[in-house]
Amino acid sequence: NAGVTQTPKFRVLKTGQSMTLLCAQDMNHEYMYWYRQDPGMGLRLIHYSVGEGTTAKGEVPDGYNVSRLKKQNFLLGLESAAPSQTSVYFCASSYRSDRVIDTEAFFGQGTRLTVV
Amino acid sequence: GDSVTQMEGPVTLSEEAFLTINCTYTATGYPSLFWYVQYPGEGLQLLLKATKADDKGSNKGFEATYRKETTSFHLEKGSVQVSDSAVYFCALKGFQKLVFGTGTRLLVSP
Repeated sequence: NAGVTQTPKFRVLKTGQSMTLLCAQDMNHEYMYWYRQDPGMGLRLIHYSVGEGTTAKGEVPDGYNVSRLKKQNFLLGLESAAPSQTSVYFCASSYRSDRVIDTEAFFGQGTRLTVV
Repeated sequence: GDSVTQMEGPVTLSEEAFLTINCTYTATGYPSLFWYVQYPGEGLQLLLKATKADDKGSNKGFEATYRKETTSFHLEKGSVQVSDSAVYFCALKGFQKLVFGTGTRLLVSP
């Protein structure tokens, strides 16, 4: 069982470069999330999606875009990377909230991004 | 909006000591509550969960009870081990969003 897979695992970008982080899940989950984790800040929600073709802003969406063209994939894009976007990025997925069971989220292993 | 507040760390304990990590929440409706654990260099793993008031989640000796009257979900363990050293996150799942606290680092010494 693959669960939630993130690619790449590590990346170094120069300021102004662009990149896309890919998240793939094989659990048929409706909801998918992108978080960033910074020291002392916990996990902050960037964007999320409640189904194929839908996305919504989280707590810290500026500088990021997302797309969910297929149910199993959720892409996070940085159009013009800045040093402030140096962080560890986590993707997660879960069933929708109206299910009584299996409401937990499953996480990928993270992508460590450094912008220089 | 929904939010989670948990005690700041690090929490430093000796092996076999009692652990409490406080977590309180603010939410509309009836969220599900979770504790996740993160070991160094890894992603988050679910530790336990509770989906309605008065539910007790438990796993690996850890427990937490969903207290609606105090909007709390405190994590407890009777006797910690060195292997419990990790960062612990309290989280709630509301209508659509999954919201986390800032995390509490636990350090257990032999």
